[in-house]
Amino acid sequence: QVRLQESGPGLVKPSETLSLTCSVSGYSISNGYYWGWIRQPPGKGLEWIGNIHHSGTTYNNPSLKSRVILSLDTSKNQLSLKVRYVTAADTAVYYCARHFCGGDCYIEYWGQGALFTVFS
Amino acid sequence: QSVLTQSPSASGTPGQRVTISCSGSSSNIGSNTVNWHQQLPGTAPKLLIYNNNQRPSGVPDRFSGSKSGTSASLAISGLQSEDEADYYCATWDDSLNGHVVFGGGTKLTVL
Repeated sequence: QVRLQESGPGLVKPSETLSLTCSVSGYSISNGYYWGWIRQPPGKGLEWIGNIHHSGTTYNNPSLKSRVILSLDTSKNQLSLKVRYVTAADTAVYYCARHFCGGDCYIEYWGQGALFTVFS
Repeated sequence: QSVLTQSPSASGTPGQRVTISCSGSSSNIGSNTVNWHQQLPGTAPKLLIYNNNQRPSGVPDRFSGSKSGTSASLAISGLQSEDEADYYCATWDDSLNGHVVFGGGTKLTVL
């Protein structure tokens, strides 16, 4: 059973960089699939951020692409997300997820999510 | 504003059949498969339907999905109180190098 667990500092100041890590168990990220992130502002819907494959192929939400950096650490079986120049609008529960991509992509497994607040 | 359009709310009584719709365009639903995710209160979303009408292991056959043109639907038959949740449609959008898009979500209330 694939399990994903998000972690990182729960608070970040405006204009700084939000950094999140997702630890994966039950599957080696170097074996395949795409690994990515989705967020959900409090009381609102889901927004896809992007995903990455161990080959380096990346897909991004066009509206966030300029501020987002995705990476994989296969030695630790983790994925990471950095969101630069954050504002209050970046306050959200952030989920990591495994994606199946074969022509198109869909989210197969979700992490439990972690709340990150932009707070001055 | 979400790329895919869903009604904000739906409701039904126990045992009823309810349908939740999702509307998109030729670059997303019209060209790719549709998925549905269920988010129970206070929990992370969970994949409910993939490839338009396939259920992951463990999802009851009361849940079914369909797609026609640029629209898709999720049907829940034999509605139960534990089905009260938010339901999101999602698909791939071929524009701008490709990306996942979601509907705004439908809050299902079991009366």
